Amino acid sequence: GESVGLHLPTLSVQEGDNSIINCAYSNSASDYFIWYKQESGKGPQFIIDIRSNMDKRQGQRVTVLLNKTVKHLSLQIAATQPGDSAVYFCAELLGSNYKLTFGKGTLLTVNP
Amino acid sequence: EPEVTQTPSHQVTQMGQEVILRCVPISNHLYFYWYRQILGQKVEFLVSFYNNEISEKSEIFDDQFSVERPDGSNFTLKIRSTKLEDSAMYFCASGETGGYGYTFGSGTRLTVV
Repeated sequence: GESVGLHLPTLSVQEGDNSIINCAYSNSASDYFIWYKQESGKGPQFIIDIRSNMDKRQGQRVTVLLNKTVKHLSLQIAATQPGDSAVYFCAELLGSNYKLTFGKGTLLTVNP
Repeated sequence: EPEVTQTPSHQVTQMGQEVILRCVPISNHLYFYWYRQILGQKVEFLVSFYNNEISEKSEIFDDQFSVERPDGSNFTLKIRSTKLEDSAMYFCASGETGGYGYTFGSGTRLTVV
């Protein structure tokens, strides 16, 4: 079965609002997660990562939260801008060969 | 900022033909990967490559696929006899070390007709 998946396929927000994108994972042994942003016609771009020994990690305007109890991951984007419009994927790094398993993706649309 | 470079950006090929997708990973990286993304779907792992050999491959990566690192800079994916269902974006990625997120290229859009 699929190890990583997203709750919402699309999310539409107003410019300046905060965005929250959610992700569930099923492998309780997973210990490293990454959020990627993919703009149209481009490859996945690393945003932020988190290891399982952390609950929260902050970057510039982005925060990732990890709830290991319910195997849930979220990406928060503060003051969303039109340039944030993209598909966002969570991914789980698995195994000694560091294979990434991606979720289905959430399309974020930021309305001006 | 260092980039993973892929060529061509778009390739159209006839069913049954062989294609080679090319990648130049970031120069000091040791781990190399190919992923594919069928239009509108999630990114799927194909193969990982380390120390000049395949370290893991998915069920998708059957006998028609092969990878090579022919010199110190290039990393190629060959599809021997393309099928219509091979149409997808193919992404190369490289990582400096294991256990961390790695850098993706912009992809090659393969269209099999």
